[in-house]
Amino acid sequence: DAEITQSPRHKITETGRQVTLACHQTWNHNNMFWYRQDLGHGLRLIHYSYGVQDTNKGEVSDGYSVSRSNTEDLPLTLESAASSQTSVYFCASSQDVGRGEQFFGPGTRLTVL
Amino acid sequence: GENVEQHPSTLSVQEGDSAVIKCTYSDSASNYFPWYKQELGKRPQLIIDIRSNVGEKKDQRIAVTLNKTAKHFSLHITETQPEDSAVYFCAARGYGGSQGNLIFGKGTKLSVKP
Repeated sequence: DAEITQSPRHKITETGRQVTLACHQTWNHNNMFWYRQDLGHGLRLIHYSYGVQDTNKGEVSDGYSVSRSNTEDLPLTLESAASSQTSVYFCASSQDVGRGEQFFGPGTRLTVL
Repeated sequence: GENVEQHPSTLSVQEGDSAVIKCTYSDSASNYFPWYKQELGKRPQLIIDIRSNVGEKKDQRIAVTLNKTAKHFSLHITETQPEDSAVYFCAARGYGGSQGNLIFGKGTKLSVKP
């Protein structure tokens, strides 16, 4: 069955280290998104992509980057991890913007010490 | 850009009672309003959605209403059950370009007491 997966599911790292979170979907969806979820803030958009080689900044993009070299993957990189980036990260995908429904991955809990 | 406000932030009801969660949005061009349910430790999952050309939509015990003039929409859960306990998020989507992205409310934690 088609699905969306994230890895790792849990990660502990140190301040200043580079971290990459993986997101892989097998629905062949054009659109992919990265959100962070923090208590009291809901889901905030970090970066998004509408197709291969397309990437865009979201509401809270500082300190994060993404690349889209194929349809299936949108890795999220924290260039130099900070304690403020401790959060739960969700990847999502959708067929196209017009349909609207986004399917979420299981999430990655990242702790920056 | 779009801004979505959600109330209340927490809601506690007795099993069998109804629960109502309300959201307001700022962009009159928004045309799609989904609701997601997130159980503890799980991913958000779509439970119901409504488009701007419809005023109400029902699916068994859940319903969503939309008032475009007032720019608000609400989730109604009837005959609540303990398994309805979760965090619920509303969202709104604009039209075209980056406005096609979903903007989420901050969530409502619903507790259903047996």
